[in-house]
Amino acid sequence: GAVVSQHPSRVICKSGTSVKIECRSLDFQATTMFWYRQFPKQSLMLMATSNEGSKATYEQGVEKDKFLINHASLTLSTLTVTSAHPEDSSFYICSARDEGPAYGYTFGSGTRLTVV
Amino acid sequence: AQSVAQPEDQVNVAEGNPLTVKCTYSVSGNPYLFWYVQYPNRGLQFLLKYITGDNLVKGSYGFEAEFNKSQTSFHLKKPSALVSDSALYFCAVRDFRGTDKLIFGTGTRLQVFP
Repeated sequence: GAVVSQHPSRVICKSGTSVKIECRSLDFQATTMFWYRQFPKQSLMLMATSNEGSKATYEQGVEKDKFLINHASLTLSTLTVTSAHPEDSSFYICSARDEGPAYGYTFGSGTRLTVV
Repeated sequence: AQSVAQPEDQVNVAEGNPLTVKCTYSVSGNPYLFWYVQYPNRGLQFLLKYITGDNLVKGSYGFEAEFNKSQTSFHLKKPSALVSDSALYFCAVRDFRGTDKLIFGTGTRLQVFP
């Protein structure tokens, strides 16, 4: 089945630094990928929709300059958390939409970001 | 408005007993419905989906769900629960407006007791 690889699985960074998270669709091409943030014991909050070759579409309230999204190819989207602060600590999950015959949304394994 | 509701925060069931995790939806048009499971500190794993066809959908790990258009429901079921089924379950519906994102329910924690 469809596989999405997300790296790193865990990262600890210092306040003020930037962190990049990668999301790759391994066996299908994804024109569209999604980035979510999940707080403890809560549902997923969509941050932005990543579109290959064009600008991402951000949800209301999400800072575009803080959460930079790049979708440079049909298999790779990246989320960069810039000038990270402790309140950015969270679990980030990506998802890629497979628009082929096996239509569906496949999720990465998530990235636990801790900002110290 | 497009929405998904999971009315139960937690479902408790004894191992070997049948389980049901409830989901209702509100969308315009024909829904694309999905169930996912999440284990601690992991991403979401796909269980099953309904797009068209038979109302009873069979998925991974022995799970199934029944699409009921009149009741706008898509409850997840399993005939015999396992302790290893204990996890967080999410129902989702495709939002046809805009970016075709998934709209998630709030999640239901399933606890299976030995």
